[in-house]
Amino acid sequence: ETGVTQSPTHLIKTRGQQVTLRCSSQSGHNTVSWYQQALGQGPQFIFQYYREEENGRGNFPPRFSGLQFPNYSSELNVNALELDDSALYLCASSLDRWTEAFFGQGTRLTVV
Amino acid sequence: RKEVEQDPGPFNVPEGATVAFNCTYSNSASQSFFWYRQDCRKEPKLLMSVYSSGNEDGRFTAQLNRASQYISLLIRDSKLSDSATYLCVVNGANAGKSTFGDGTTLTVKP
Repeated sequence: ETGVTQSPTHLIKTRGQQVTLRCSSQSGHNTVSWYQQALGQGPQFIFQYYREEENGRGNFPPRFSGLQFPNYSSELNVNALELDDSALYLCASSLDRWTEAFFGQGTRLTVV
Repeated sequence: RKEVEQDPGPFNVPEGATVAFNCTYSNSASQSFFWYRQDCRKEPKLLMSVYSSGNEDGRFTAQLNRASQYISLLIRDSKLSDSATYLCVVNGANAGKSTFGDGTTLTVKP
């Protein structure tokens, strides 16, 4: 059974650019959640996808968007990058919407 | 006020000590609760779920108090390897929103 994998692991982008981060969920999991974690803080919930539909969203602007595919893998897209978007982006998958989530190793995004 | 609040610590304890962390939450309709640990620059890893009846896993005990809206984590006989940041997670009344606390840092010293 493979765990949650994210790509890329590190990324450097310029302010104003767009970025796509990818996540493969754990086998059998239909729910994927995305988080942003700044240094010294807990992960902040961006949104959750359940069976290809957005199921909940945190306080992030519309330039943060996502997709979930039929195989339950997922993408996080961020448009018009800002310096404050520099953070660790974590993806977590779970069997269902309320159950415990398992995290990938994260993508460290730096915006310069 | 934050939806989920934790004492940031740091907690510095000697090996063998017992240490307890609390986490309070504001939404009384929250559905499920978890503790995760996170090592420096790594992803959070599930430590345990938290049930109303309380649950224990080896040296770790988690409890939920719905009336007072807090969850707790007790670590007995602390090991050096327990040094990490401990994060509590509260899942909302409407499925699809997980709220993390900012974490409590534990350092266990020889």
